[in-house]
Amino acid sequence: AQSVTQLGSHVSVSEGALVLLRCNYSSSVPPYLFWYVQYPNQGLQLLLKYTSAATLVKGINGFEAEFKKSETSFHLTKPSAHMSDAAEYFCAVSDSTNAGKSTFGDGTTLTVKP
Amino acid sequence: KAGVTQTPRYLIKTRGQQVTLSCSPISGHRSVSWYQQTPGQGLQFLFEYFSETQRNKGNFPGRFSGRQFSNSRSEMNVSTLELGDSALYLCASSLDGTGEETQYFGPGTRLLVL
Repeated sequence: AQSVTQLGSHVSVSEGALVLLRCNYSSSVPPYLFWYVQYPNQGLQLLLKYTSAATLVKGINGFEAEFKKSETSFHLTKPSAHMSDAAEYFCAVSDSTNAGKSTFGDGTTLTVKP
Repeated sequence: KAGVTQTPRYLIKTRGQQVTLSCSPISGHRSVSWYQQTPGQGLQFLFEYFSETQRNKGNFPGRFSGRQFSNSRSEMNVSTLELGDSALYLCASSLDGTGEETQYFGPGTRLLVL
């Protein structure tokens, strides 16, 4: 069984500040982990993914995440927030036993203040 | 390459009716997954199709069904619509549906049931 917990349904930062979105997962088999972003009235766009290679993963738009097995975490960070980062972010987990299925967290809405 | 397309983008139906949604995957992708997104339940996995066969399904009633054609295009059908079926329905495609593959999402079909 898989599950994802995103701590904080809403996160607000100032433009230029560090962005930290938290994600903890549970999986009975080795997981694959993803971060997606969703803008209003759009589908989900992949930011980055972990598939058991490097534990520090770099994605698009300056985002990165670190897989920490001991903490079952996959937090998303960006050193300096931009106004265009305001969106909803989803952490997701999948594995090799569930064809085509990702399990998503509840999402975190990021607000960026000028 | 063209992205994942979904039609229609918006739909209004009344309780008791049925609806069919369509998804065209990225060219060459053989796996198509469907998700329901609602404010209360978040993103929930409906089912996945690969080579015209349903390989995986989530915990939804039998009113929700789908199929896949030989060109990998997929449709999902909801019969006897209920108010709670109002949601954004997202489809996602990937090459083979293995857990580590990126799922590419369409823009979704927003269904409103009155």
